[in-house]
Amino acid sequence: AQKITQTQPGMFVQEKEAVTLDCTYDTSDQSYGLFWYKQPSSGEMIFLIYQGSYDEQNATEGRYSLNFQKARKSANLVISASQLGDSAMYFCAMREGPGNFNKFYFGSGTKLNVKP
Amino acid sequence: DVKVTQSSRYLVKRTGEKVFLECVQDMDHENMFWYRQDPGLGLRLIYFSYDVKMKEKGDIPEGYSVSREKKERFSLILESASTNQTSMYLCASRLSTGGFGNTIYFGEGSWLTVV
Repeated sequence: AQKITQTQPGMFVQEKEAVTLDCTYDTSDQSYGLFWYKQPSSGEMIFLIYQGSYDEQNATEGRYSLNFQKARKSANLVISASQLGDSAMYFCAMREGPGNFNKFYFGSGTKLNVKP
Repeated sequence: DVKVTQSSRYLVKRTGEKVFLECVQDMDHENMFWYRQDPGLGLRLIYFSYDVKMKEKGDIPEGYSVSREKKERFSLILESASTNQTSMYLCASRLSTGGFGNTIYFGEGSWLTVV
């Protein structure tokens, strides 16, 4: 089974509007972490936001927020007030495994295009 | 700032060649990873090293091996390159202590073409 599922291969959003990128995950661990990364066309991977499995509040970082629904095993990224520079691939990732023995799994990504 | 450096940005190799992809990180991270990235498939974990001389297979280890003789260096080896190994390869590292939220840091990627 896929550890991370991103069902939206591509999305369009109008500049200044909000957009939600979907992510569901699969784990039997009680302790895990969820991450979102941005990959512009230049190729580098940029860390955006993190949510721990025990965190009760949804994580926020500037215009990014993570809508964490533990029972549904979903960790959607919300970008508010989209900007042209937000056009990129976005990857959801999960860290699982005890202590030092952490593996990171990634989804297939969502390509976001912001229209002027 | 953490720096993860991959030795080659673009490589073209012939089928059957032995290929080495080198990765060095400068932050004393215990964990290091090799992924390959293909369109529509995202990043898939090839191998993971949680410390020096320690390695674990990821989801797609077939056709690859790794070496971690020093903490800062993690090498990916294609023993006999094949055309289906044409891909972008990403190295990453992570500090294992200090918190579950420690992100992984990526290198710039190595584009490998096998002809």
